[in-house]
Amino acid sequence: GQNIDQPTEMTATEGAIVQINCTYQTSGFNGLFWYQQHAGEAPTFLSYNVLDGLEEKGRFSSFLSRSKGYSYLLLKELQMKDSASYLCAVIWAGSYQLTFGKGTKLSVIP
Amino acid sequence: DGGITQSPKYLFRKEGQNVTLSCEQNLNHDAMYWYRQDPGQGLRLIYYSQIVNDFQKGDIAEGYSVSREKKESFPLTVTSAQKNPTAFYLCASSIVGGGRSEAFFGQGTRLTVV
Repeated sequence: GQNIDQPTEMTATEGAIVQINCTYQTSGFNGLFWYQQHAGEAPTFLSYNVLDGLEEKGRFSSFLSRSKGYSYLLLKELQMKDSASYLCAVIWAGSYQLTFGKGTKLSVIP
Repeated sequence: DGGITQSPKYLFRKEGQNVTLSCEQNLNHDAMYWYRQDPGQGLRLIYYSQIVNDFQKGDIAEGYSVSREKKESFPLTVTSAQKNPTAFYLCASSIVGGGRSEAFFGQGTRLTVV
């Protein structure tokens, strides 16, 4: 199958750093996206990784290891507004549509 | 401004009635998608289309139908055959090819069947 696994929920403290992991099957992998989704709203794009390594964008960074089938989203200097679900999505070779994991609900507490 | 528009935002229907959800985009994207999201769940693909007058079933197509008569429009009909239609429905669009097919989403339609 094309399972994409993420933790269901995480809690972190305002101002701290949190890492949200995503694992996927390596066969046919062609790229990985991270989206942020606030409750009742549409997902918004955060990052895209296709090569190994770290992509940094302000407070958010995303890492990919193709050989290990592993990615993480790193959120620094957490703010209350970062409380949301974070969705990992993969594009498989030969297709153009995204397959989403179930998402990780992050709660930021004071 | 370019974007993708879904309407309505909230929709109530009686059980047994068909209902059509609208999705329009002016991003000139070739591909369009419909996803369903249930509480605590990720996005599950219902239907997708790469070109006008062509579309494919996703993972949970039973009880749904779509059309793609224009590049800009991809309406979804939730039929009475869908056993549990109450959910949050998201429409998206993207380019095709070039590797990075980032999906842009509409605001979603929350359908409640009573």
